[in-house]
Amino acid sequence: TQLLEQSPQFLSIQEGENLTVYCNSSSVFSSLQWYRQEPGEGPVLLVTVVTGGEVKKLKRLTFQFGDARKDSSLHITAAQPGDTGLYLCAGRTTSGTYKYIFGTGTRLKVLA
Amino acid sequence: DTGVSQNPRHKITKRGQNVTFRCDPISEHNRLYWYRQTLGQGPEFLTYFQNEAQLEKSRLLSDRFSAERPKGSFSTLEIQRTEQGDSAMYLCASSLASGTANYGYTFGSGTRLTVV
Repeated sequence: TQLLEQSPQFLSIQEGENLTVYCNSSSVFSSLQWYRQEPGEGPVLLVTVVTGGEVKKLKRLTFQFGDARKDSSLHITAAQPGDTGLYLCAGRTTSGTYKYIFGTGTRLKVLA
Repeated sequence: DTGVSQNPRHKITKRGQNVTFRCDPISEHNRLYWYRQTLGQGPEFLTYFQNEAQLEKSRLLSDRFSAERPKGSFSTLEIQRTEQGDSAMYLCASSLASGTANYGYTFGSGTRLTVV
C-alpha cells in the first residue's frame, strides 16, 4: 500500500513558468519532508514541515503542510533548468516510528 | 566530514550469488537507514538502526536480506542468492536522532545493483 501519492507523475515546462506538485495521503503525519533527486545520486533534503498549515519558503520554492497534516504541496515560481529533477515527499507517521515513507515522486523537466 | 559514503557504486552479479554493500554514515549521526529504489519510483524502506540496534525491518524484506551495524558505525547490507528482481539502487541515509526531533536524512549516492 502506497501511503503517499504524488501528482503529477511527470511535468515538462518552459523556463520561467510556475508549477505546483502535490503530495497526498489518507494518513496523518507527524512531519513531512521534501527532497530533490538527480539521476545517479541520492535524494537531497529541501525542507521539513511539522505543523499543520505551516508554510516554508526556500528562494523560489514554497512548501505548505496541510492543516490536517495529511497532504503537502510544493510550488516553484519562475522555474529554471536547474530545477530539473525528481521531487519526492516523505512522511513520518504518528505511529512512533522514526522512519520516513517516500512518495511516488514527480519528475520535473524545465526546458530552456 | 565528506557525507554518507556508499561502496561500491555499481555492482553486477550473476543470479544466485551473494553480494554485500557498505555504508559509512556521517560520524556524529546515530541513525542509519537502508532504502531500495527502482527506476521511476520513490525509495522503499528496508531497515534502520539506532546506534548498533536494528530497530525496524520492513515486512517486505525477504529473509535473503540482512543488515548489520557493528559498533554503531558503518553498516553492511547483504543479499544472499540474488534474484533478478533485486536489481535496484540501494540507498543508505543517516540522521541525527534526539528524542522525537525531526532531522532530515543525508543520503549517500547509492549502490546500483544489476543481477544478470
